[in-house]
Amino acid sequence: GDSVTQMEGPVTLSEEAFLTINCTYTATGYPSLFWYVQYPGEGLQLLLKATKADDKGSNKGFEATYRKETTSFHLEKGSVQVSDSAVYFCALTRSGNTGKLIFGQGTTLQVKP
Amino acid sequence: GAVVSQHPSWVICKSGTSVKIECRSLDFQATTMFWYRQFPKQSLMLMATSNEGSKATYEQGVEKDKFLINHASLTLSTLTVTSAHPEDSSFYICSAEDRITNGYTFGSGTRLTVV
Repeated sequence: GDSVTQMEGPVTLSEEAFLTINCTYTATGYPSLFWYVQYPGEGLQLLLKATKADDKGSNKGFEATYRKETTSFHLEKGSVQVSDSAVYFCALTRSGNTGKLIFGQGTTLQVKP
Repeated sequence: GAVVSQHPSWVICKSGTSVKIECRSLDFQATTMFWYRQFPKQSLMLMATSNEGSKATYEQGVEKDKFLINHASLTLSTLTVTSAHPEDSSFYICSAEDRITNGYTFGSGTRLTVV
């Protein structure tokens, strides 16, 4: 079945460091791919998405490119801030976006000043 | 923006009792809501899809008699964990579909601990 695998955390970085959180997926057809972020005590928020191969999603300095050849959707940010500390979830839905999200296990990011 | 309120944020209950978790869409009508469950250090797993005014659709392996879902209005869905046991301890989170924006908004989740 469909699945999403993320790199294990926690990831600890110093402020202004470069961030990469790896995400790979297994799915039939052409899924849509998402990154969600969960700040402490809050719900999941959509960070960015891509709906077809080679699409690049971007938001708040974060980017991820839908790579069908490597079935990956790695999250990157050039310079992280303390306020980026959160749990990041990679997810996919089947084409048609039924709202049935399949999540990775989440990666905790801690940014130190 | 769209806001989903989920209550309680945490609850501790005794084995054998039932616990109700509420998920409300505050500023939009949610005809469809989704309930997820997350075990420690694992993915969020979809439990069921609830549609306003009709029966919920449960994912394979989810006991519908144990996890009762009611979606009686366009702004409220409830999940009741009946006769809770320690293995039901988990993080439960809801998501609501906003048909106007075609987006999905999540609640802040409920940490259930059964002792």
